[in-house]
Amino acid sequence: EPEVTQTPSHQVTQMGQEVILRCVPISNHLYFYWYRQILGQKVEFLVSFYNNEISEKSEIFDDQFSVERPDGSNFTLKIRSTKLEDSAMYFCASSEALRSGKTDTQYFGPGTRLTVL
Amino acid sequence: LAKTTQPISMDSYEGQEVNITCSHNNIATNDYITWYQQFPSQGPRFIIQGYKTKVTNEVASLFIPADRKSSTLSLPRVSLSDTAVYYCLVVLSGGYQKVTFGTGTKLQVIP
Repeated sequence: EPEVTQTPSHQVTQMGQEVILRCVPISNHLYFYWYRQILGQKVEFLVSFYNNEISEKSEIFDDQFSVERPDGSNFTLKIRSTKLEDSAMYFCASSEALRSGKTDTQYFGPGTRLTVL
Repeated sequence: LAKTTQPISMDSYEGQEVNITCSHNNIATNDYITWYQQFPSQGPRFIIQGYKTKVTNEVASLFIPADRKSSTLSLPRVSLSDTAVYYCLVVLSGGYQKVTFGTGTKLQVIP
């Protein structure tokens, strides 16, 4: 069964450093997403991406964040200057582009645990 | 987006059937009801999705009454490995839509 993969599984970084989290969505999917989950809290939407551009972003997704699809398979989330409060699990998800009247099920990756020291 | 309400936690003994009910009073015509499961430190995993009446797959059943203002996820004969957080979501049909997670229901299966 196809699945979303993410690397690395755990990233430790110093405050102020740049990090890039990588995701490989399911191959025939066209919509891509990033979510984050701070320990013990809800899963929060960050950004959605379609046709090589951001479709929607939340208030969390400020200028320190950026997303990119550098090639035909990878989808990345970059945090330019990490802060302590960026420590969280980051989940990538993808979904097919379905016709109206059908559902858009998102499939999540296993996550990257980001620890900012 | 329709808001959902579900119990914060539930306990069940192994081997029992578990029913988790979710309220979504403001569900719209084009919304689908979707359930995810999440284990600690893992990504949410899609369980089941439905629009009306009953949907069954190899993992669970989803019961949706005619007014669609609530739904019930039914897990047959739970085991210890079913201990997880279960999220009820409403998702707009077609195209993309960000998924908004609530606090979910923490199911604890007891031996």
